[in-house]
Amino acid sequence: KNEVEQSPQNLTAQEGEFITINCSYSVGISALHWLQQHPGGGIVSLFMLSSGKKKHGRLIATINIQEKHSSLHITASHPRDSAVYICAVSNTGNQFYFGTGTSLTVIP
Amino acid sequence: NAGVTQTPKFRILKIGQSMTLQCTQDMNHNYMYWYRQDPGMGLKLIYYSVGAGITDKGEVPNGYNVSRSTTEDFPLRLELAAPSQTSVYFCASSLGGAGTDTQYFGPGTRLTVL
Repeated sequence: KNEVEQSPQNLTAQEGEFITINCSYSVGISALHWLQQHPGGGIVSLFMLSSGKKKHGRLIATINIQEKHSSLHITASHPRDSAVYICAVSNTGNQFYFGTGTSLTVIP
Repeated sequence: NAGVTQTPKFRILKIGQSMTLQCTQDMNHNYMYWYRQDPGMGLKLIYYSVGAGITDKGEVPNGYNVSRSTTEDFPLRLELAAPSQTSVYFCASSLGGAGTDTQYFGPGTRLTVL
């Protein structure tokens, strides 16, 4: 069993839709990370959070420590949001565990 | 700032050959990491370093070696390449440790072992 599970694996949305990607983890963590991997392969860190909620532009990330669950929301989705979104967790021992990613396609 | 740079971008190796993947960061970050990404799998941590002279194993260290003689550089060495090491390799760095700071990723090295 993977330490980090994401759902859905694939997601297709119409431009303008509200999108939610879910992440569940089974280990103790010091932080949870949301990453974006572009079609060309580059990886960018979107959020790092250990509690509550963070917002950056149209992206919102939340975490529930008790339930070991996080969500990434995209409001008013746009074709340029098409990418793979990866959830990862880290612990105080500097170990990282990654989900397999959610492939998002936003259709104009 | 160039951020995190990796060379080469692509490489094909024969079984048993050796090579070094280079990683350099110009952000004066203390922490550096090497990951591999296999198709359909999540990234796996190979090795990490908390500063010059200090390295430690990640989840999948077998078949690899690292060194950290300077803050900027964190090369990954494959001694005897095997087909199982065919993967995309990413280097990353952060100022603080895993729970305290954002990681910055390099562009990746696509390695094929035949």
